[in-house]
Amino acid sequence: GIQVEQSPPDLILQEGANSTLRCNFSDSVNNLQWFHQNPWGQLINLFYIPSGTKQNGRLSATTVATERYSLLYISSSQTTDSGVYFCAVPSSGGSYIPTFGRGTSLIVHP
Amino acid sequence: DGGITQSPKYLFRKEGQNVTLSCEQNLNHDAMYWYRQDPGQGLRLIYYSQIVNDFQKGDIAEGYSVSREKKESFPLTVTSAQKNPTAFYLCASSMGTPQHFGDGTRLSIL
Repeated sequence: GIQVEQSPPDLILQEGANSTLRCNFSDSVNNLQWFHQNPWGQLINLFYIPSGTKQNGRLSATTVATERYSLLYISSSQTTDSGVYFCAVPSSGGSYIPTFGRGTSLIVHP
Repeated sequence: DGGITQSPKYLFRKEGQNVTLSCEQNLNHDAMYWYRQDPGQGLRLIYYSQIVNDFQKGDIAEGYSVSREKKESFPLTVTSAQKNPTAFYLCASSMGTPQHFGDGTRLSIL
């Protein structure tokens, strides 16, 4: 099946810093999702981004499907950005069965 | 508000006992999924269902069972055959993409 690798596995920032999280995938995909899991375990949809660039406030994401990667940018980080960021891409086949990466754990210190 | 409701938030299982985790959605989504998350790990697919009265095994189905008698409901039973059930369980639904998640159930062994 498709492989999804996220980097870095862990990231520690001071409040106000910027960061870039990366998601590589082993096969061509027609969609990709980024999620944020907060410290209480809730998974929040950040972006559905099969290609191109999207922005939502301080967060933006870019997917380059032809090169099999996606980037999540966090600017001016805040303590509430802490948590784990996952990307997910569909497995091969007609059904939408996402495969998740292992995530990037982000801690933002005040 | 439309969403996915998982209950209970916390559940304790005795040795040899079956327990059932509830997942209800009012988003009118066709597909529903169950994932297991262990500390520091990504999400692993247990079962998924794309239509009422039909479901498929995911990557780690052994020791679990599901039913899909109604579009809104997709309960997961953790059977006594699952020897290491302590984990965080997440239910999701989708109509194509993107996926939406419930708040999860934490299961522990007494």
